[in-house]
Amino acid sequence: AQSVAQPEDQVNVAEGNPLTVKCTYSVSGNPYLFWYVQYPNRGLQFLLKYITGDNLVKGSYGFEAEFNKSQTSFHLKKPSALVSDSALYFCAVRDRNTGKLIFGQGTTLQVKP
Amino acid sequence: GAGVSQTPSNKVTEKGKYVELRCDPISGHTALYWYRQSLGQGPEFLIYFQGTGAADDSGLPNDRFFAVRPEGSVSTLKIQRTERGDSAVYLCASSLTGLGGETQYFGPGTRLLVL
Repeated sequence: AQSVAQPEDQVNVAEGNPLTVKCTYSVSGNPYLFWYVQYPNRGLQFLLKYITGDNLVKGSYGFEAEFNKSQTSFHLKKPSALVSDSALYFCAVRDRNTGKLIFGQGTTLQVKP
Repeated sequence: GAGVSQTPSNKVTEKGKYVELRCDPISGHTALYWYRQSLGQGPEFLIYFQGTGAADDSGLPNDRFFAVRPEGSVSTLKIQRTERGDSAVYLCASSLTGLGGETQYFGPGTRLLVL
C-alpha cells in the first residue's frame, strides 16, 4: 500500500534560519510527490511537486524540496524562514492508478521572530 | 481566474438529518475529487470524478455517502442520516484532466458539524 509519513508533528525555527519539514514515502514505482500548505480555516494551497527530472524542485514562496529516491524522502526546505510561513504543511503522494492523493498527517511549522 | 469554490462554508445540522455540500471546480477541469479532513489529520480521499462518472468511489465510508456530478462540472456530496462522526471539513479539488502528475487545486472546504 502506498503511504506518506511526516515524522514531526511540529517544527520550530527562528525567523531568518533555514527550515526543513520532513516527508518519507512508500510507493511501488516512481512517485508523484506534492507539498501543500494550509493556513487556519483555509483550504490547501499547492506549493510544489516532483514528477520527474531534477531532484531539486523549486516552488512558491521560496520553498524547495529535494527528492531522494534511495532514502524515499521528499523534504521541504527554505533557506530563510519568515514568520508568515507559520502554517500546517502536508506532504502527499499521488496514487498512479486512481489519481487520488494520499496525505501525511501534517507538520505544524512555527516560525518565531 | 476563479478557483475552486465550495458552499456552504459552514454547515451545522442535527444527527439524523440529510445534508448536501456543493463544489464548483475550476472551469474546464474534468477531474474532481472529494476529500474529508478530520481535526488534526491529513485529508482522506472520498471519491474521484472523471467527467460525469465516478471513476473511483473507494473512499466513501458507507452507503450514507453519495456524490453526483450530472453535467461534468458542479458536484454535490450528499450525506444521509448524518452522525456525529461525520463532523469534519469536506474538501473539494479539481485538476485539468486527472492524468499524470497534474496538480489538484483545492477549494476552501465546507466545515460540517453534526450535533
